[in-house]
Amino acid sequence: GDSVTQMEGPVTLSEEAFLTINCTYTATGYPSLFWYVQYPGEGLQLLLKATKADDKGSNKGFEATYRKETTSFHLEKGSVQVSDSAVYFCALREAGTALIFGKGTTLSVSS
Amino acid sequence: KAGVTQTPRYLIKTRGQQVTLSCSPISGHRSVSWYQQTPGQGLQFLFEYFSETQRNKGNFPGRFSGRQFSNSRSEMNVSTLELGDSALYLCASSLAEQNNEKLFFGSGTQLSVL
Repeated sequence: GDSVTQMEGPVTLSEEAFLTINCTYTATGYPSLFWYVQYPGEGLQLLLKATKADDKGSNKGFEATYRKETTSFHLEKGSVQVSDSAVYFCALREAGTALIFGKGTTLSVSS
Repeated sequence: KAGVTQTPRYLIKTRGQQVTLSCSPISGHRSVSWYQQTPGQGLQFLFEYFSETQRNKGNFPGRFSGRQFSNSRSEMNVSTLELGDSALYLCASSLAEQNNEKLFFGSGTQLSVL
């Protein structure tokens, strides 16, 4: 079945460092790909998405490119802030199926 | 516009009891999904409803059940609670059920089974 694999955390960075969180997926068809973020004490919220190969999703300085050839959707940000500290979830969804999440990566940014 | 509302926020139950959790989606949203979140397993899909019909079901035992009402509100029930059912249960709603739809999540119900 479909699955999502994320790099294990926690990821600990200093403010203004470059961030990469790796995400790869397994799917039988052509899924849409998502990154959701969960800030402490809050529910999940959509960060960005991409619906077809080579699409780039972006929001709040974060970017991810849908790479069909490597089945990847890595999340990047050029300069992280303390306020980016959260848990990040990669997810996929194929037509007619439910949204499937990776296990999440905890990011901690210190000043 | 109000967000997804889940009640209660916290629950403490003992083994063998049953529990019902409630979710009110964003007004106009017809699709509701439920997830179980635990530190070890992350987010695991329970079920998804659209216009009162269950569209998808995750790999959970029959003790976990759900339903959706005509006003799109949804409930999930867990019977014969086990210690391993302790988790944060998240509800999410969306306008429709297309695969590129954004899900809006509630803050969850934290269930503790003693």
